[in-house]
Amino acid sequence: QSALTQPASVSGSPGQSITISCTGTSSDVGTYNLVSWYQHHPGKAPKLMIYEGSKRPSGVSNRFSGSKSGNTASLTISGLQAEDEADYYCCSYAGSSTWVFGGGTKLTVL
Amino acid sequence: EVQLVQSGAEVKKPGESLKISCKGSGYSLTSYWIGWVRQMPGKGLEWMGIIYPGDSDTRYSPSFQGQVTISADKSITTAYLQWSSLKASDSAMYYCARRAGSSLNYFDYWGQGTLVTVSS
Repeated sequence: QSALTQPASVSGSPGQSITISCTGTSSDVGTYNLVSWYQHHPGKAPKLMIYEGSKRPSGVSNRFSGSKSGNTASLTISGLQAEDEADYYCCSYAGSSTWVFGGGTKLTVL
Repeated sequence: EVQLVQSGAEVKKPGESLKISCKGSGYSLTSYWIGWVRQMPGKGLEWMGIIYPGDSDTRYSPSFQGQVTISADKSITTAYLQWSSLKASDSAMYYCARRAGSSLNYFDYWGQGTLVTVSS
């Protein structure tokens, strides 16, 4: 059960769009359309942003969207805002009530 | 309001035992799985394991199997993460998180985290 692969960092200017990729295997991302994404500000609890690949919880801005192709899931943030600066983690169900996280991506808003 | 409240920061010596807690409120703890997630200093989130307090069904990441024990006391709506002999490498922030439903596969509520420091 290896960690999902995410870029270590991404950056964008306010108003721009960025995409964070999350690559797994046929044992997790590829088999289950059950990737969730979490926003994590240091020192705070992680916050669910996307679940089941592309669904947004109530209260999460529609600037956040998710998708999947094959073994890779993606999180896109459009109309970047300063408050979006945080660490982002993908997480995939891996069967038998087990999960695996990505290594995390630090988003910098320039 | 759903809340997961974790026990406070701990400072321990190598070899000591430790049990940290995660108390749920605002929902029926026995009906939702509770997972534990580690974040080592400067590193990412790692899924450790999960328990269903209703029947104590527990699953572990292979990386943590045998290294920690996850348990729950449904009478006091609390889940636990424990070590029998701490190592310096156990120093980390630990989060508990609620699985959104038995047939749902994401974590909708998180505790505030418990910082564990293991140092001689």
